[in-house]
Amino acid sequence: KNQVEQSPQSLIILEGKNCTLQCNYTVSPFSNLRWYKQDTGRGPVSLTIMTFSENTKSNGRYTATLDADTKQSSLHITASQLSDSASYICVVSAYGNNRLAFGKGNQVVVIP
Amino acid sequence: EAGVAQSPRYKIIEKRQSVAFWCNPISGHATLYWYQQILGQGPKLLIQFQNNGVVDDSQLPKDRFSAERLKGVDSTLKIQPAKLEDSAVYLCASSTPAGGPWGHTDTQYFGPGTRLTVL
Repeated sequence: KNQVEQSPQSLIILEGKNCTLQCNYTVSPFSNLRWYKQDTGRGPVSLTIMTFSENTKSNGRYTATLDADTKQSSLHITASQLSDSASYICVVSAYGNNRLAFGKGNQVVVIP
Repeated sequence: EAGVAQSPRYKIIEKRQSVAFWCNPISGHATLYWYQQILGQGPKLLIQFQNNGVVDDSQLPKDRFSAERLKGVDSTLKIQPAKLEDSAVYLCASSTPAGGPWGHTDTQYFGPGTRLTVL
């Protein structure tokens, strides 16, 4: 069973609208959680990193939340733009090693 | 700062042929990773190097895949012979070594990947 589950698998939203992507994980002991954005044909690029003590972190129109008790994270995209069309991958790291657990990604398509 | 470089960007081969991919990490990054990303999936770690030593190759299909990082900088990943199920994007990433107060994992910086199609 994958240690990182993301939902929804894919979604289509209108330009200017908001959306929220979910990530549930079972990785333990928890070290940190990252959201990566992967444009088609490109490698993933880190958007945010959340450590155990952080609940909310923003990066422009992207806001990530973390609930370490329930092992859930979300990525909220505000006022979506066409350039937000991409796969958003949740990546969780266990304490003490450099191995990452990757989700399958949320595929977001923003339409005009 | 230059990013992670990979070549070629695309490769099409027939099954049972051999193929090699090249990666040049960000300057100064001691840790290098090779990932396999099948369409619709997240990346799967194949091998991790710390300088020129292998840290983790537990998910590398060693009967057909090999990788080296002889001088602790550039790396090559080889598949010999290729199978249809090897069709995927092969991503290279680099980072500085893990550390920090919580055993913090440093951010991995990914290259653009090599898209391999095996016919």
